[in-house]
Amino acid sequence: SQQGEEDPQALSIQEGENATMNCSYKTSINNLQWYRQNSGRGLVHLILIRSNEREKHSGRLRVTLDTSKKSSSLLITASRAADTASYFCATAIYSGGGADGLTFGKGTHLIIQP
Amino acid sequence: EAEVAQSPRYKITEKSQAVAFWCDPISGHATLYWYRQILGQGPELLVQFQDESVVDDSQLPKDRFSAERLKGVDSTLKIQPAELGDSAMYLCASSFDRNYGYTFGSGTRLTVV
Repeated sequence: SQQGEEDPQALSIQEGENATMNCSYKTSINNLQWYRQNSGRGLVHLILIRSNEREKHSGRLRVTLDTSKKSSSLLITASRAADTASYFCATAIYSGGGADGLTFGKGTHLIIQP
Repeated sequence: EAEVAQSPRYKITEKSQAVAFWCDPISGHATLYWYRQILGQGPELLVQFQDESVVDDSQLPKDRFSAERLKGVDSTLKIQPAELGDSAMYLCASSFDRNYGYTFGSGTRLTVV
């Protein structure tokens, strides 16, 4: 089952513009992570935000987390052609037995037009 | 930069045959995960290891899938017999500390014909 749902499913913008992707989830979490996947490749970890954090930055990335609304957003500023990829949010729920596998959404496919 | 190694990169197998995938995590990463990603979907967890022990295999179809990590280092995921619906990307990931995210390998693309 998939806990997170990204919105929109696809996004096409011009190079230099900002891209915003949203993620909603259903149950309380320990942290939320964003990953990027280029076509046919593995996933690359972008940023992790803990449940007690509201905002984090990493380079051109800004992630927000609103636990009251069970939602997160990923902002990519000054987009580049190399940012073209699929972006996934993933939620982590820690169990007492040590299980902490991520639950991923279906992703947002981002296309940066040159 | 340290990487998670996976092999093979691509695998085509006939229905009802056995197939195996291998993963070597980053050195020192005690936690290893196997995920399956169907085209157009997000990855879904199959199994999690902590060292050589299975921590979570609740989503692993145990009638045909098995996974092992005998020495707590590299790991093998096996499917026997393969079915058409098993066609997907199989991703391995490892983690040193769950508060810092995972490192994924490049995956094995399985096609069952």
